[in-house]
Amino acid sequence: EVQLVESGGVVVQPGGSLRLSCAASGFTFDDYTMHWVRQAPGKGLEWVSLISWDGGSTYYADSVKGRFTISRDNSKNSLYLQMNSLRTEDTALYYCAKDVGLFPPELMDVWGQGTTVTVSS
Amino acid sequence: QSVLTQPPSASGTPGQRVTISCSGSSSNIGSNTVNWYQQLPGTAPKLLIYSNNQRPSGVPDRFSGSKSGTSASLAISGLQSEDEADYYCAAWDDSLKGVFGGGTKLTVL
Repeated sequence: EVQLVESGGVVVQPGGSLRLSCAASGFTFDDYTMHWVRQAPGKGLEWVSLISWDGGSTYYADSVKGRFTISRDNSKNSLYLQMNSLRTEDTALYYCAKDVGLFPPELMDVWGQGTTVTVSS
Repeated sequence: QSVLTQPPSASGTPGQRVTISCSGSSSNIGSNTVNWYQQLPGTAPKLLIYSNNQRPSGVPDRFSGSKSGTSASLAISGLQSEDEADYYCAAWDDSLKGVFGGGTKLTVL
C-alpha cells in the first residue's frame, strides 16, 4: 500500500525554524517527483514546493521562496521541508504528496494525512 | 486570493446534476491540464479527475471533467449525500509552480 506519513509539526515562535519530514512506503520513492502542499485553518489548498526524483530540480511558491528549502534522501525514502524565518501566515496543515512521474510535475495522486505547524508567540 | 477562480459554494438535491467552474489564464489552464481534488471533512485531498477528464480507478463515472480554453468544469451527476465535500481545481503554470482554485464547498440539500 502506498503511504506517506508526515511528522515534525509543532508550535514555533515567529522568526523560528522547523524541519518537516515525510516517510514514504509502498512505492519506489526515487521514481517520482514529490510535493509539499499546505492548508491554513479553514482555508483552501496552497502548493508550497516540489522536488524532482533526483533532487536536481526544485521549485517554490513565491510566498515561501528564500525561506523554505525542500530536499529528499532517496536512500531513506524520505522527503523534507526546512522552514526558516517562519511567519504567522505559515500556520497550516502541511501535506506531503506524491507525483505520478519523474519530472516535470504532472499531478499529485497520493497524499499523506498532514502535520500541523503553528507559528505563534 | 487564489490563482484559479472557483465559486465558493454550490448545492443540489439528491439525484441532481451540479457543475463547478474553474477559471484561470493562458499561463496555467490555457497551456496545461487540469486536475480536480475532493476533500471530505477532516480528511486529506483525494484525486478525483486528472488530465482534464480522466477518472482514477475507483472514482464513480458520476464525476466528469472538461476543459475549454482557460476554463474547466467538474460535473457531478446523480448527486449523493456522500458527495458533500470541498472540491479544488489545480493546474501547473508555465513556470512549473502549482496553482489551486480557492475551493468550492458542495452542500447536498
